[in-house]
Amino acid sequence: AQSVTQLGSHVSVSEGALVLLRCNYSSSVPPYLFWYVQYPNQGLQLLLKYTSAATLVKGINGFEAEFKKSETSFHLTKPSAHMSDAAEYFCAVTSHGGAQKLVFGQGTRLTINP
Amino acid sequence: EPEVTQTPSHQVTQMGQEVILRCVPISNHLYFYWYRQILGQKVEFLVSFYNNEISEKSEIFDDQFSVERPDGSNFTLKIRSTKLEDSAMYFCASSAGDRGQPQHFGDGTRLSIL
Repeated sequence: AQSVTQLGSHVSVSEGALVLLRCNYSSSVPPYLFWYVQYPNQGLQLLLKYTSAATLVKGINGFEAEFKKSETSFHLTKPSAHMSDAAEYFCAVTSHGGAQKLVFGQGTRLTINP
Repeated sequence: EPEVTQTPSHQVTQMGQEVILRCVPISNHLYFYWYRQILGQKVEFLVSFYNNEISEKSEIFDDQFSVERPDGSNFTLKIRSTKLEDSAMYFCASSAGDRGQPQHFGDGTRLSIL
């Protein structure tokens, strides 16, 4: 069975500071990994995905994530936070083949302080 | 950019009544999904649908639930005899393929059972 753990249900950073949202996964087969963002009253928007190509993945809005197999991690980073980054972020895992259901982490609410 | 649309955005129903949640997936997508998010909890997989049949369903998706693609454009989730614990945000998603193709989500339907 696959699972995702997001460390920190709430993260608060200052505008312009580094954003680091942590995600660790568990999977017995090579995973596909995703980060989604959810703004208030909206659905889940794809930020980026890892599908076994480059381990450093660049996404939208200046975010990137690095797949580290040895650490079973897929942490999300952004060098300089912007007020518009305030949202809930979800890490998700699925596997090669099969129905491709997404297994989500609990989510991390990112707050940006002026 | 094509998007997944869900209606209604908010549904209020008396316990024991039937509800139908509607989704229009992205037109060239082949895989369809329903997820739910109970307030304050993680997003949970309910069911996946491909080639006019259920590919996989979670233990949440019991006999109370059913899905249908009645006309080649809509994808519906029916909940018979709703219970208080069915109150949640329900998300529809679709994807073009099953090999790491990202799932695109609608904005969700907030279901409130009274």
